[in-house]
Amino acid sequence: SYVLTQPPSVSVAPGKTARITCGGNNIGSKSVHWYQQKPGQAPVLVIYYDSDRPSGIPERFSGSNSGNTATLTISRVEAGDEADYYCQVWDSSSDHPKVVFGGGTKLTVL
Amino acid sequence: EVQLVESGGGLVQPGGSLRLSCAASGFTFSSYEMNWVRQAPGKGLEWVSYISSSGSTIYYADSVKGRFTISRDNAKNSLYLQMNSLRAEDTAVYYCARGGGDYLAEFDYWGQGTLVTVSS
Repeated sequence: SYVLTQPPSVSVAPGKTARITCGGNNIGSKSVHWYQQKPGQAPVLVIYYDSDRPSGIPERFSGSNSGNTATLTISRVEAGDEADYYCQVWDSSSDHPKVVFGGGTKLTVL
Repeated sequence: EVQLVESGGGLVQPGGSLRLSCAASGFTFSSYEMNWVRQAPGKGLEWVSYISSSGSTIYYADSVKGRFTISRDNAKNSLYLQMNSLRAEDTAVYYCARGGGDYLAEFDYWGQGTLVTVSS
């Protein structure tokens, strides 16, 4: 089965840039979606189709996807960005597609 | 405004059953794929099941296949998850999530979740 690997944690100072990676075999051939989840809240979509941003999501959030790694980049990090972040793909390699989530990355703003 | 409101969670004994519901509003429910996603306490997200807009296509995670049944009633703008033969490892917050509009797309809206606890 397809596996997505995320670092458990990333720390960044306010105003700096955070990069959260999502590794998977030839993930560049798949569409990657990213979610932000704050404690006690439901996940929120922040990036879809590798690099598109839903309305209401700040331009500070961006995404890329190539080769074996997709990356969520948060520029000018703010305290309010502290959250868990999950990458997600659809694994359509069989006739019974499945959703795969990465294990999640806890972003800490120092 | 898109709203998804889950209900039906609670405490159930191992081997028991529970039916979750998700009431949708603010969009044309019959036009969108829907999913159930769960999150065990302190753990990450785990996809549970998918249903197409018409209900004709359904997929399940291996961990629930044969025990859970997803369904929808487009006339009532509602999504359901029938959970049978529940196990302790099914304990989680269960979210309903809307598909983004394309086939097998992103999950663009989520409900607030309903907690299912499987324990004796």
